[in-house]
Amino acid sequence: DQQVKQNSPSLSVQEGRISILNCDYTNSMFDYFLWYKKYPAEGPTFLISISSIKDKNEDGRFTVFLNKSAKHLSLHIVPSQPGDSAVYFCAASGHSGTYKYIFGTGTRLKVLA
Amino acid sequence: SQTIHQWPATLVQPVGSPLSLECTVEGTSNPNLYWYRQAAGRGLQLLFYSVGIGQISSEVPQNLSASRPQDRQFILSSKKLLLSDSGFYLCAWSGKNIQYFGAGTRLSVL
Repeated sequence: DQQVKQNSPSLSVQEGRISILNCDYTNSMFDYFLWYKKYPAEGPTFLISISSIKDKNEDGRFTVFLNKSAKHLSLHIVPSQPGDSAVYFCAASGHSGTYKYIFGTGTRLKVLA
Repeated sequence: SQTIHQWPATLVQPVGSPLSLECTVEGTSNPNLYWYRQAAGRGLQLLFYSVGIGQISSEVPQNLSASRPQDRQFILSSKKLLLSDSGFYLCAWSGKNIQYFGAGTRLSVL
C-alpha cells in the first residue's frame, strides 16, 4: 500500500513559469514532510520541509503548501529554471524518533528553455 | 559541517557473488543511518535503518543485510547476489528531521 503518492510521473513547464508538483498521503499520523531534488546517478538533495503545524513554508523560489484535511502537499517553484529539471520526491514521516521517511515515486520535471 | 561518503560509485558483480557497500558519516555523532534502494523507474525504498551501533532494523525481507560496526559506519552486504538486487543504493543520515543522502552506488548484477 503506497502511503505517499506522486500521481504525476512527469511534468513539463516553460522557463520562467510556475512549476507545481503534487503529493498525496494516506496516513494521518504523518507530521513532517520533505521535498528532495534528484539528478540522475546522484543522491537526492534536500530542498524544503514543512511541519504539520504549518500550512506553508518558503525558501527562495521554493514554497511548500500543506493541506492536512486533504492530506495533500505541493511544491511550487517560481520562476522555473532549466537547472530545475530533475526528479522531485516528496517524503513523509510520523513521530517515531527514528526519522523514518516514506518516499513517493517521484515526478520528473522538465523545464523548457 | 557534516558529510556523508558512500563507495563505490559503480559496481558490476556476477550473480552469486558477495557484496559489501560502505557508508561513513563525518561531523556528527550517533546519527540515525539508512540504506535505500531505487530500482529502475521506481521511488526510494527503505531497506534498513539504524539508531545506534549494532542496532539494525530491516524494513523489507530480502537477500541483503546491514551492519553498523562503528558509530558513523554503515555497511550493506550480501552473501550471494541475485539479479533482482540490481539498482541504485543510497545511504543517508538524519539530523533534526532531515535526511541527507550520499552520492549513491549503481549496482549491476549480471
